[in-house]
Amino acid sequence: EIVLTQSPDTLSLSPGEGATLSCRASQSVSNNYLAWYQQKSGQAPRLLIYGASSRATGIPDRFSGSGSGTDFTLTITRLAPEDFAVYYCQQYGTSLTFGGGTKVEIK
Amino acid sequence: EVQLVESGGGLIQPGGSLRLSCTGSGFTFSSNSMHWVRQAPGKGLAWVSYINSDGRSTNYADSVKGRFTISRDNAKNMLYLQMNSLRAEDTAVYYCGTASPGNWGQGTLVTVSS
Repeated sequence: EIVLTQSPDTLSLSPGEGATLSCRASQSVSNNYLAWYQQKSGQAPRLLIYGASSRATGIPDRFSGSGSGTDFTLTITRLAPEDFAVYYCQQYGTSLTFGGGTKVEIK
Repeated sequence: EVQLVESGGGLIQPGGSLRLSCTGSGFTFSSNSMHWVRQAPGKGLAWVSYINSDGRSTNYADSVKGRFTISRDNAKNMLYLQMNSLRAEDTAVYYCGTASPGNWGQGTLVTVSS
């Protein structure tokens, strides 16, 4: 089983600031099949990034994904008020596993 | 547009059984492998079970192996999760999703409590 470790657990930032979220895999993610999701309270996860760096339909370009192998990053430039949420990484190359999440909260 | 709708959740006593259903539309259901994922209250997302497109291959998280059974009916575009010997720690919102990322339903809440 591929274990995904996200860091930090919580990011306290102000609107307009940038955010960098990390996701590290215990072994290489097949074909860089790594996705990022945003989840708000009471809602299903919303896909932001797939294939490590491809934005999903309708996702603003302030969201970007990078990385390969075992180290991946989600970058949010200029945080908008609606971006404060919990973010999960997911690998779907070998079965399915999720990271523990990073909460982006208002400072 | 891909749509997935889960149903069948509710309040059940420990040791009881429940069957969740998931209806798929807007895509070729019979060509897609499917997953069940759950999220306990205030916790993160956890994979539960997988089934391939023709239903012949399945896989389970260790925490549910021997208690849960995943199945599908491609003629009806339906995915199922039979949950037996339920425990308090199975309390969660259960989501069905395709193997391709991003396609999830809104979830159904299962509460195991006496």
